[in-house]
Amino acid sequence: GQNIDQPTEMTATEGAIVQINCTYQTSGFNGLFWYQQHAGEAPTFLSYNVLDGLEEKGRFSSFLSRSKGYSYLLLKELQMKDSASYLCAVRDRDYKLSFGAGTTVTVRA
Amino acid sequence: ETGVTQTPRHLVMGMTNKKSLKCEQHLGHNAMYWYKQSAKKPLELMFVYNFKEQTENNSVPSRFSPECPNSSHLFLHLHTLQPEDSALYLCASSQDLGTGDEKLFFGSGTQLSVL
Repeated sequence: GQNIDQPTEMTATEGAIVQINCTYQTSGFNGLFWYQQHAGEAPTFLSYNVLDGLEEKGRFSSFLSRSKGYSYLLLKELQMKDSASYLCAVRDRDYKLSFGAGTTVTVRA
Repeated sequence: ETGVTQTPRHLVMGMTNKKSLKCEQHLGHNAMYWYKQSAKKPLELMFVYNFKEQTENNSVPSRFSPECPNSSHLFLHLHTLQPEDSALYLCASSQDLGTGDEKLFFGSGTQLSVL
């Protein structure tokens, strides 16, 4: 089966930067996704990486290293509304998508 | 609003009840999915439909029965559930069946409690 690990919880201060790491072991690789899920709401797409390197989208950036089986999601200039769960998901060689358990980020004033 | 609507938002049922969850997508997508989300656990894929045909059943117990009458609607029929089936059930859709950068659009889920 697939193995995707990410920290359970992280806390940071408004205006700060937080980095959420995700490591994975899958049967082949066809892309890595990050989703954001606010409590009681639908997960929403944040980013997609399939090649090594950094993808930047405003305050959010996602990095991938395929050789290390590693990704991170970087949240800059944290705002209270960024308090949510962040899900790492990896697509394997058969295009099956597996999710990590999610990282709950709490932003404090 | 993600374009995927699920009803009901909350459901409490006894172990002998029969109920159905409904999902509707307004995005013109061809693939639809049911996921189970339990606290502190990864999202578990249950069923996948592509152009109304079931393409995946992820070893889900028969007390969960999916139905996909057309590409826009997906149901999950529930009967004789167990307390451990209590979870958030998420519906999702995608343009096609998960190739390349195909992303999922999720509904807000049905929070199910089995007593």
